[in-house]
This record gives sequence, structure tokens and C-alpha cells, in this order.
Amino acid sequence: QSALTQPPSASGSPGQSVTISCTGTTSDVGASSYVSWYQHHPDKAPRLLIYELNKRPSGVPDRFSASKSGNTASLTVSGLQADDEADYYCTSYAPSYNLVVFGGGTKLTVL
Amino acid sequence: QVQLVQSGAEVKEPGASVKVSCKTSGYTFNTYAVAWVRQAPGQGLEWMGWISGYNGNTNYAQKFQGRISMTRDTSTSTSYMELKSLRSDDTAVYYCARLEFWSGRYWGQGTLVKVSS
Repeated sequence: QSALTQPPSASGSPGQSVTISCTGTTSDVGASSYVSWYQHHPDKAPRLLIYELNKRPSGVPDRFSASKSGNTASLTVSGLQADDEADYYCTSYAPSYNLVVFGGGTKLTVL
Repeated sequence: QVQLVQSGAEVKEPGASVKVSCKTSGYTFNTYAVAWVRQAPGQGLEWMGWISGYNGNTNYAQKFQGRISMTRDTSTSTSYMELKSLRSDDTAVYYCARLEFWSGRYWGQGTLVKVSS
């Protein structure tokens, strides 16, 4: 099972919006409603931002939103803040394999 | 509150095995699976597999098949991940996470496993 494809880097200025893509296949992203997004700061545990395509856990601000079209999922971070600078990962459940596959990660820089 | 507390850092020689524990609290253990994820230095997060809290069924990523074993102890609400035949590229931080809707809302603090001779 191959990793999902994310751009290695993304950037934006404070207050701006940035969108990170996550491309899979018909075996994972295209076949699943269980796409999630995580924020990961160094030396901390990953933080769940989005689950089931576009749902936010309690405590996650609505500046984080997500969508999916075909085999590609996207995370949008609006109103960029300095603390948003982190690595972002997408995941998708792959029904045929009964497991989860990660994206390669995107390093978000707030300029 | 939901908590996952992992065992401490380990240093192992190549060829050895390591067993990392993940003690859970704050929820009914057998109602959620536990997933294991790792991050090698300078690399991204990597899915290793999961174990059902209900019946102990497991599913491992193909990359680790034959070298990995996930078990659980319902009496202590603890999950375990054992990785055998360790190599230098197994050096990583290993995380456990409670699996819900195929995502991890709650995570352990991470366990550094260093493989070095």
C-alpha cells in the first residue's frame, strides 16, 4: 500500500489561507469517507484536526476545514497564525486492506 | 479524561526485540482499537497496524509482517507492540493512539526506540 501524495512544503503569511492537497487512489481516498488530517509539532504527539472527511473534534477551531474530490483530499487553514507552523499529515482508511495509509507530510511555514 | 501512557525510551542492539506498552485509562478499553504509528528521524509518520480492544484481532502493515506483534491485556487496559529483528532504520519514536472512525483523537506521548550497536 503506497503512501498518499502531499506537497513537501507550503507557506503563507499571517492572516492568509493555505490549502494542502492529499492525493491517493481509488483504493483509499477515492473509496473512503474516513479521511483524516493531523497537525504535528516536533517532539509532540500528533493532533487530530479533521476526521471523516470534514468533521472537527471539539477544540479544533473552524479555521481548519477540509474537503474531498475524487481521489484528492484537501485541508485549508484560514487566518494563518504563527502557531500553525507545523507538519501536516493526511490519512485515509483503505477498505480493501483494512488499514490506514499516511501521506508523506507537508511542512507548513508561516512567513 | 482519556489518557494513553507509554513506556519509557529503549536502546537496543541490532537483531534484538523491543516491546512498547501503552496503558490506557478514562474509557472502556474493549470498545476501541489501538493503533501504532512511528516516526523515524527526519521522516514522516508511518502506520504500523492496529489491534482490536474487543477481541484482540490485529492488522499489520505489509512492511512489518513477520516482525511485528500487537497484543493487549484487558485486565490492565494496556496494549503492547513488539518489533523483532531490529535494524538501525527502526530507530524512531513509536506512538500509540486510540482508534475511532479510523482516526486517532487521543495519543500516547511517544516512546523513543534507538537501535545501535
